[in-house]
Amino acid sequence: QVQLVESGGGVVQPGRSLRLSCAASGFTFNNYGLHWVRQAPGKGLEWVAVISYDGSNKFYADSVKGRFTISRDKSKNTLYLQMNSLTAEDTAVYYCAKDLSLYNSGSYRPDYWGQGTLVTVSS
Amino acid sequence: SYELTQPPSVSVSPGQTARITCSREKLGDLYVCWYQQKPGQSPVLVIYQDTKRPSGIPERFSGSNSGNTATLTISGTQAMDEADYYCQAWDSNTGLFGGGTKLTVL
Repeated sequence: QVQLVESGGGVVQPGRSLRLSCAASGFTFNNYGLHWVRQAPGKGLEWVAVISYDGSNKFYADSVKGRFTISRDKSKNTLYLQMNSLTAEDTAVYYCAKDLSLYNSGSYRPDYWGQGTLVTVSS
Repeated sequence: SYELTQPPSVSVSPGQTARITCSREKLGDLYVCWYQQKPGQSPVLVIYQDTKRPSGIPERFSGSNSGNTATLTISGTQAMDEADYYCQAWDSNTGLFGGGTKLTVL
């Protein structure tokens, strides 16, 4: 079965950086796009970024564009999110999610989600 | 703010039909997904491509999308369906989520 395990969350000071990882298993990693979606405490879901199955396409929410970078390593079946210049507004649980469609490079939608990792930006 | 508009809350009696809406101009031109999230848990996909149910999702969950509004319908609502529900769409290289609807089964 599909498993997505996030790691790398924690408490970080404003202006600092953090890298999240998501280890994937149970599906053919190279065939599916992958998302990051976040949820601030007590709030709704906010889509953050997606990377296509082959890494050739990357799209970001306006709120993180220029600060966050999504990437993937097919040799490790792992998705990453490099987060720079963090602010308190970035405090959230960050979920990794697999895309619904095989070889998708157009319309992206998450299907399976990990359990999330909490990022707290605070001095 | 969220680009997809959902009512903050919907209440339904057990066994009745619950309808949760998601609105945006010309939403019917996009494919909509719906997710269920229970407290302390990750979201679960319950409807994709407007009307399709993933394997393992009960038949009482159905969806529609036309014009400016997509609707998630839960027929014969059960206590276990009490959760937050989110709609999602993809447009102009951006993922969109609704603000979420808390479904209460009274």
